[in-house]
Amino acid sequence: GAVVSQHPSWVICKSGTSVKIECRSLDFQATTMFWYRQFPKQSLMLMATSNEGSKATYEQGVEKDKFLINHASLTLSTLTVTSAHPEDSSFYICSAARGQVYSAEQYFGPGTRLTVT
Amino acid sequence: AQSVAQPEDQVNVAEGNPLTVKCTYSVSGNPYLFWYVQYPNRGLQFLLKYITGDNLVKGSYGFEAEFNKSQTSFHLKKPSALVSDSALYFCAVRDQGYSTLTFGKGTMLLVSP
Repeated sequence: GAVVSQHPSWVICKSGTSVKIECRSLDFQATTMFWYRQFPKQSLMLMATSNEGSKATYEQGVEKDKFLINHASLTLSTLTVTSAHPEDSSFYICSAARGQVYSAEQYFGPGTRLTVT
Repeated sequence: AQSVAQPEDQVNVAEGNPLTVKCTYSVSGNPYLFWYVQYPNRGLQFLLKYITGDNLVKGSYGFEAEFNKSQTSFHLKKPSALVSDSALYFCAVRDQGYSTLTFGKGTMLLVSP
């Protein structure tokens, strides 16, 4: 149990376009989902925390108008990169917490490789 | 505030030898500690965690880690390394009162045949 999927696994888009990445908890309900960004050979940097039915909480330095996060249901959160630029190219990973977030373990998706040309 | 330090960018070990990947942490309250492994272009796979109880935690694929409160460490160990263990390893911490994980920078483990 506790499987998290991401779609697409990789995407190439042109500069100026928008890209949507989906994160789904397949066999459990996730009250909280997290979005991370990872540059090559670097650690995961938390971008935002999203709770079902409420606005996401963004980390300092993350543009909320550029990285739109929607957590419409207990099994789905989406990250939309708006007006993408080459510097947005990165590996985006989501995770989902099952149960009460303060005692919950996070389960990670397989990641989405975004390349902006 | 919470933080994690992985002092080694890379650890090299020969197959069959024991391995250790180091991790130290800093939290204001009680720590929840985790180890994850990442293979190229893949997400994170959970290895083990310490929440409470026995200081020696056993996890997946023969890995274990020891929680040392006095040294604020949570080093990952395995008695006999495999070439297939070669990957990027992340230590992470969460203060009991927080919802977010903080990751270390990662340690690349290279196991030679």
